[in-house]
Amino acid sequence: GENVEQHPSTLSVQEGDSAVIKCTYSDSASNYFPWYKQELGKRPQLIIDIRSNVGEKKDQRIAVTLNKTAKHFSLHITETQPEDSAVYFCAASITGNQFYFGTGTSLTVIP
Amino acid sequence: GAVVSQHPSRVICKSGTSVKIECRSLDFQATTMFWYRQFPKQSLMLMATSNEGSKATYEQGVEKDKFLINHASLTLSTLTVTSAHPEDSSFYICSAPTRTNEKLFFGSGTQLSVL
Repeated sequence: GENVEQHPSTLSVQEGDSAVIKCTYSDSASNYFPWYKQELGKRPQLIIDIRSNVGEKKDQRIAVTLNKTAKHFSLHITETQPEDSAVYFCAASITGNQFYFGTGTSLTVIP
Repeated sequence: GAVVSQHPSRVICKSGTSVKIECRSLDFQATTMFWYRQFPKQSLMLMATSNEGSKATYEQGVEKDKFLINHASLTLSTLTVTSAHPEDSSFYICSAPTRTNEKLFFGSGTQLSVL
């Protein structure tokens, strides 16, 4: 089955700096890669996603890049703010039938 | 995005009792729903895949007689923790993919505390 690895497990950045979280996957059939943000005690919220026919997608301060050849994808948050502090999960999916999650990255933005 | 509703949000029960958690897709039909367990500061652990009209598929190591799953309609899946014990205390969360764009949305989670 699919194996998704996520790094780093914890990340601290100064407010205003950028944060990058990286994930790798093993199954080349995976074609959908969402990113979720989870605040303590709350549900994971979909923040951005990318499909395998696209190499990069951006939404304001958040961007995701995908390298299909290398089987890795990354989340980029620019101009970080304290409210960006949360746990971020990447996932890989094959046509929505199964979703495999990374182990999560706890992001702390220091004011 | 699509809405997935989960109830209750918090349950405190005595050891040996059973607890039922409901997961509803409010504005779309979900033939599949996923149930996860999450420990503090850890990732989402897939417990089982709930399939409408058929038996759930359980992940290795998850006791199907302990965690009963029923998916009786296209909008409702339930997870029943039978004879709950303190080690079952955890955050349980469901999710459902939409059929149109295959995006996955999560319920709000249920914090179960077994005394």
